[in-house]
Amino acid sequence: DVKVTQSSRYLVKRTGEKVFLECVQDMDHENMFWYRQDPGLGLRLIYFSYDVKMKEKGDIPEGYSVSREKKERFSLILESASTNQTSMYLCASSSPDRASQPQHFGDGTRLSIL
Amino acid sequence: AQSVAQPEDQVNVAEGNPLTVKCTYSVSGNPYLFWYVQYPNRGLQFLLKYITGDNLVKGSYGFEAEFNKSQTSFHLKKPSALVSDSALYFCAVRDGRTGGFKTIFGAGTRLFVKA
Repeated sequence: DVKVTQSSRYLVKRTGEKVFLECVQDMDHENMFWYRQDPGLGLRLIYFSYDVKMKEKGDIPEGYSVSREKKERFSLILESASTNQTSMYLCASSSPDRASQPQHFGDGTRLSIL
Repeated sequence: AQSVAQPEDQVNVAEGNPLTVKCTYSVSGNPYLFWYVQYPNRGLQFLLKYITGDNLVKGSYGFEAEFNKSQTSFHLKKPSALVSDSALYFCAVRDGRTGGFKTIFGAGTRLFVKA
């Protein structure tokens, strides 16, 4: 069965800390995505990657960066965490060059910045 | 530009009654349309999709959706609701013409099914 695993379900960090969110998929997918989910706003794309070491900005990349050193792993980095980055973060993956295929999601990381 | 609207924040229905969760979309090319469901403290799960062909598509857990090109709608339906269907539902669209990666999600509709 398809599996996207996010390393932490809940995370509490302090303002100014550098925060790493990890995501691993076991489907050999080229495409991977990071979203944040906020009530009433749905999912907003932060970054995506279509290949190892390749990345593209999404709609809200400010304050975030990503790393894709291996095909199965896609990391989201909050360079200097701020309280407005408190949110649910969702990682997803999908088949390459197949716009008709759905995305597969992890269970999310609920991040609180104090 | 692509966009998705889910006009209802919440839908309430009694168990055993039919349910509809509404979605309208805007896309330049051919729409690829998706419905996902999210249970508490979980990620999104794929329910069904419309790519081409029959306007009525069937998906998981007895759900179906009807594609209406003239009304640019893709409403999610189920003939008989279950309490276990209570969850957050997201409609999503991708531009099939460009074959791009970007998927636009609606804001979500929370479904409550009362016993």
